[in-house]
Amino acid sequence: AQSVSQHNHHVILSEAASLELGCNYSYGGTVNLFWYVQYPGQHLQLLLKYFSGDPLVKGIKGFEAEFIKSKFSFNLRKPSVQWSDTAEYFCAVNEDNDMRFGAGTRLTVKP
Amino acid sequence: DVKVTQSSRYLVKRTGEKVFLECVQDMDHENMFWYRQDPGLGLRLIYFSYDVKMKEKGDIPEGYSVSREKKERFSLILESASTNQTSMYLCASSFLGLGEQFFGPGTRLTVL
Repeated sequence: AQSVSQHNHHVILSEAASLELGCNYSYGGTVNLFWYVQYPGQHLQLLLKYFSGDPLVKGIKGFEAEFIKSKFSFNLRKPSVQWSDTAEYFCAVNEDNDMRFGAGTRLTVKP
Repeated sequence: DVKVTQSSRYLVKRTGEKVFLECVQDMDHENMFWYRQDPGLGLRLIYFSYDVKMKEKGDIPEGYSVSREKKERFSLILESASTNQTSMYLCASSFLGLGEQFFGPGTRLTVL
């Protein structure tokens, strides 16, 4: 089964800074890729997903992610973060109906 | 909008009690899942089900069981709660094969 690594446990940024959160999975194959976000006190919700096609995927709230097959990576980016982006972010990989989640990255945005 | 509901947001139980966590989804999804979420460990799969009366063990099934008598409902059972089962429990559902999972709000269970 796949394993998912998220390199940063806690990231602290000031408003307007750019964001990149790393995500790698363990081996090649036909995978679907996801980023979920969990705002404080709220349920997990989907930010964006990649199934096929253009490896640059745009999601909600100005987030995007790039799938690089050769690096088994699916990094999340946002050019300018806001205080309201403070949340925990989870990368997930689905292969053959087997979904695996990373440990999560907590993002704190200082106003 | 897909809706996944869980029976309680917060639950406090004593060691040795039998605990039932209920989850209901309204989108006719085949798959349903139970995870526990712990800081620094992400989401770990306890059990999942891809059809009524079907269940499969996830990565950490010990101490848990599940029941799926109807397509929309998936129950997680702690036969004899222990303090190391204090956690956030998340239910999710998805269509078979599509991968995207929809999550409920979670139940924060404390076992004293």
